[in-house]
Amino acid sequence: DSGVTQTPKHLITATGQRVTLRCSPRSGDLSVYWYQQSLDQGLQFLIQYYNGEERAKGNILERFSAQQFPDLHSELNLSSLELGDSALYFCASSPGGRTEAFFGQGTRLTVV
Amino acid sequence: DQQVKQNSPSLSVQEGRISILNCDYTNSMFDYFLWYKKYPAEGPTFLISISSIKDKNEDGRFTVFLNKSAKHLSLHIVPSQPGDSAVYFCAASDPSNTGKLIFGQGTTLQVKP
Repeated sequence: DSGVTQTPKHLITATGQRVTLRCSPRSGDLSVYWYQQSLDQGLQFLIQYYNGEERAKGNILERFSAQQFPDLHSELNLSSLELGDSALYFCASSPGGRTEAFFGQGTRLTVV
Repeated sequence: DQQVKQNSPSLSVQEGRISILNCDYTNSMFDYFLWYKKYPAEGPTFLISISSIKDKNEDGRFTVFLNKSAKHLSLHIVPSQPGDSAVYFCAASDPSNTGKLIFGQGTTLQVKP
């Protein structure tokens, strides 16, 4: 158990819809990262928050947004969903800086 | 632009033998590398890391080697066990020091009993 909790584990939704993925980081970790893993691909960095502030941004679509709340949990919002958004979405947390990140079990999103 | 590459999608070895997983990178600014292991339906779990000030780091059965001039690293597992069967991801920490990781595509290791 990494200490990072993601909900829900599975999500099936229709094209055009909006969903919210939730992540609770390990106790004490200030950094939260979101990654996307499409079929047979590596993990692609989407966005990072550190203590409530956006810290780094990857190739995140404009239809996607995220935030980190005062209790440090984070949400990733995906809107106007397309079939190609079907993927595993992982959240990770770390104390910040150059150290290993701990990953949650992921949310498998299926857009139909 | 794939900055971290794992050119072997899969590897099969016999139990008790050595497994060698390879990783290449293109950005000479990378100076901290990590290996993660991933089982199906689970998130990646951290395995071992190496800083560019070293050329080797060892943790039990796992050893990572770094060749900076070749921009190449490898993970050695000795001896390999069936429980090591998983997908292994190589990652580089972004030089901006945010902690963002840049991953390779992964190598699926199968260890046969």
